Amino acid sequence: AQTVTQSQPEMSVQEAETVTLSCTYDTSENNYYLFWYKQPPSRQMILVIRQEAYKQQNATENRFSVNFQKAAKSFSLKISDSQLGDTAMYFCAFMTFGNTPLVFGKGTRLSVIA
Amino acid sequence: ETGVTQSPTHLIKTRGQQVTLRCSSQSGHNTVSWYQQALGQGPQFIFQYYREEENGRGNFPPRFSGLQFPNYSSELNVNALELDDSALYLCASSPRALGGGAKNIQYFGAGTRLSVL
Repeated sequence: AQTVTQSQPEMSVQEAETVTLSCTYDTSENNYYLFWYKQPPSRQMILVIRQEAYKQQNATENRFSVNFQKAAKSFSLKISDSQLGDTAMYFCAFMTFGNTPLVFGKGTRLSVIA
Repeated sequence: ETGVTQSPTHLIKTRGQQVTLRCSSQSGHNTVSWYQQALGQGPQFIFQYYREEENGRGNFPPRFSGLQFPNYSSELNVNALELDDSALYLCASSPRALGGGAKNIQYFGAGTRLSVL
């Protein structure tokens, strides 16, 4: 069974600074997808970024980028130029290539401070 | 906005009662998945519906059941409510079912918060 671990329950960052959220996972699969979802107080889970395991290049979406280390089974999220609107719970999630249900970590609560 | 809507937003029930939660999927999506998110935890997969049939189930008892309608909207029913059923219930729609191929992104609604007293 796949597991996803987020070791930082809470983090804070000053506005305009950079922050990195950690995620590790365990799987015996070779082909899979990794996701970061954001859940603000409105509760809606919003996709931030996704990475396909067969791609060596790290995914980027505007201020969001990942550091994907397949051998180490690590998938961290870097948020640059943090904004107050980035305050939310961030969940790392895993899906196998065969499109199995998402497996989520416990989340990291990020607070951006003005 | 993902186009996935859930109702009601908040519900209070007592132990032993039954509850029905509803979800309208994003236009063009034929698959709906349901997740339970307990306080302080990540979402846990309950089951998925594809073309009105259950298409995969997580580790939840049979008192958790569902339906999908021809318009691809869905219901989650929970019988004999227990205190531990108190959680946020999230619905996610996607264009493909389990095993249906790659890049199957799931789009979530804002959830229904269920409180069981």
